Amino acid sequence: EIVMTQSPATLSMSPGERATLSCRASQSINNNFAWYQQKPGQAPRLLLFRGSSRATDVPARFSASGFGTEFTLTISSLQSEDVAIYYCQHFNSWPWTFGQGTKVEVK
Amino acid sequence: EVQLLESGGGLTQPGGSLRLSCAASGFTFSTQNMGWVRQAPGEGLEWVSLINANSDTTYYIDSVKGRFTISRDNSRNTLYLQMSSLRADDSALYYCAHQRGHVNYWGQGTLVSVSS
Repeated sequence: EIVMTQSPATLSMSPGERATLSCRASQSINNNFAWYQQKPGQAPRLLLFRGSSRATDVPARFSASGFGTEFTLTISSLQSEDVAIYYCQHFNSWPWTFGQGTKVEVK
Repeated sequence: EVQLLESGGGLTQPGGSLRLSCAASGFTFSTQNMGWVRQAPGEGLEWVSLINANSDTTYYIDSVKGRFTISRDNSRNTLYLQMSSLRADDSALYYCAHQRGHVNYWGQGTLVSVSS
């Protein structure tokens, strides 16, 4: 099983700052990878997939990069509505797994 | 508009059974791969099972193999998860997922609680 490790566990930043979230895979997953946002009490929402493809209606301030084992989600200018837990997920081989999540807080 | 509406969750005792359903609309269900993802209270996300469009390929995580069965009825646009021999650690919100590896669409989930 491929283990996905996210860091940091919690990120607390001010509005307008640049937020960088990381996800590391225990082995190469090529770009079979996605990022999700989950707000309290809601289902997750797809943000980006297969490297840097943005899902429908996802603001341009969200971007992703990485390949192989190291991946990054960047929020270029943090907004109050970005408060959420962010999960990475691979789909390179079964079982597909998620990271444990990074909680983003806005000061 | 894509909609995934789960039902069938509830409270059951250890060793019990439940059948989850997911009614899909807004897309051509019969051509799409589907799956179930669960989330224990206050915890992260976990893929449980996948099924391809014509039901000839299914996957399960090890902890549910032999106890859970995923299926679909393309004539009814409905996805199922038959769960038996339920354990306390199966307690979670179960999401129906339209997936292409990544999950394009999620339902709102149905809550399964296993407790004596």
